[in-house]
Amino acid sequence: DIQMTQSPSSLSASVGDRITITCRASQGIGNDLGWYQQKPGKAPKRLISVASTLQSGVPSRFSGSGSGTEFTLTISSLQPEDFATYYCLQYKSHPWTFGQGTKVEIK
Amino acid sequence: EVQLVETGGGLIQPGGSLRLSCVASGVTLSSNYLSWVRQAPGKGLEWVSLINTDGFTHYTDSVRGRFSLSSDNSKNTVYLQMNSLTTEDTAVYYCARGWLSDWGQGTLVTVSS
Repeated sequence: DIQMTQSPSSLSASVGDRITITCRASQGIGNDLGWYQQKPGKAPKRLISVASTLQSGVPSRFSGSGSGTEFTLTISSLQPEDFATYYCLQYKSHPWTFGQGTKVEIK
Repeated sequence: EVQLVETGGGLIQPGGSLRLSCVASGVTLSSNYLSWVRQAPGKGLEWVSLINTDGFTHYTDSVRGRFSLSSDNSKNTVYLQMNSLTTEDTAVYYCARGWLSDWGQGTLVTVSS
């Protein structure tokens, strides 16, 4: 199975900050990776697919990059509505696997 | 607009069985992959299973042999049959389409005596 190691597990940041979340895959997955945002009590929402393609309606302050084993999600200027938990998911091979999540909190 | 609605959750004793349903509107499930993802209380997301467009199924190791997927194309519905449930299966169960592009609201399964 492919393991996804996500870091950090949590971070505190202020509105306007630039933040980066990293996912590392235990083996190469090409660009078969998505990023998801989840707010408390809600279903996850996909932000990015195939490592860097922004989903329709997702603000351009979100961006994804990487391929192979290392991937990043960047929020260029954190907004109040971005405080949430973020997950990466590899869908290169079964079983699909999520990272452990990164909780983004208000400083 | 794509809508997925999960039903069938509830309280069940250890060793029991439950069947979850995922009904779709705005999309034909037989033309899409359909996954189940779960989230234990206070924990992260765990991918559980998938049925593809050929009806082939995949499962995570912890549920293989206990959970099974099936579909009823006439009802545009996918079912997750869960047997031999343990307390470790307590979670909100979501169904999600494709590469998890669209999600339902989730249904809570609580396994407890």
